[in-house]
Amino acid sequence: QQQVKQSPQSLIVQKGGISIINCAYENTAFDYFPWYQQFPGKGPALLIAIRPDVSEKKEGRFTISFNKSAKQFSLHIMDSQPGDSATYFCAAHTDKLIFGTGTRLQVFP
Amino acid sequence: DVKVTQSSRYLVKRTGEKVFLECVQDMDHENMFWYRQDPGLGLRLIYFSYDVKMKEKGDIPEGYSVSREKKERFSLILESASTNQTSMYLCASSFSVDYGYTFGSGTRLTVV
Repeated sequence: QQQVKQSPQSLIVQKGGISIINCAYENTAFDYFPWYQQFPGKGPALLIAIRPDVSEKKEGRFTISFNKSAKQFSLHIMDSQPGDSATYFCAAHTDKLIFGTGTRLQVFP
Repeated sequence: DVKVTQSSRYLVKRTGEKVFLECVQDMDHENMFWYRQDPGLGLRLIYFSYDVKMKEKGDIPEGYSVSREKKERFSLILESASTNQTSMYLCASSFSVDYGYTFGSGTRLTVV
């Protein structure tokens, strides 16, 4: 019930392409859904977040799509760049953050 | 620049040793967290604290304990280190979830 399932585990995208990472949850008590980005040797950092009363949130090239009825949300990275190569974690919040298993994104020039 | 500082970047300990991982934040945050990160398993919550002297178990507290005597410091203790506790340990703090968790750079612990 507390899990957040994330896919794919790894993703390879050409520069300029669209990267899509998906997450699913069961617990309807989750009230906040952030995405974190982690570069090698660093801790994760907040990238973008959404609350369940909104279906989409966009910040620059990054968009979260949220489907409350399906209990799914996804991160879209438009015009992917080599600098976006990192590990991405979705998460869901009740009184604490529960993280997904992570997606390693590699963007090749 | 706000910071969460973890005392060691790399640590090697022997099985059975008592291990202390220290975390200090300079942001006056009430909330602090300890996660471990393992490939394919993501970040799993060990313990968290919403106030000084207060602690709550996360999803995988077995074999660990914590101490929070001062607001800025949150220590993770491995009572008797075992090889299955070899992992990357990440400390985080937050004012509220809306402002994001600020993570330290992690301590890579190897238990031999």
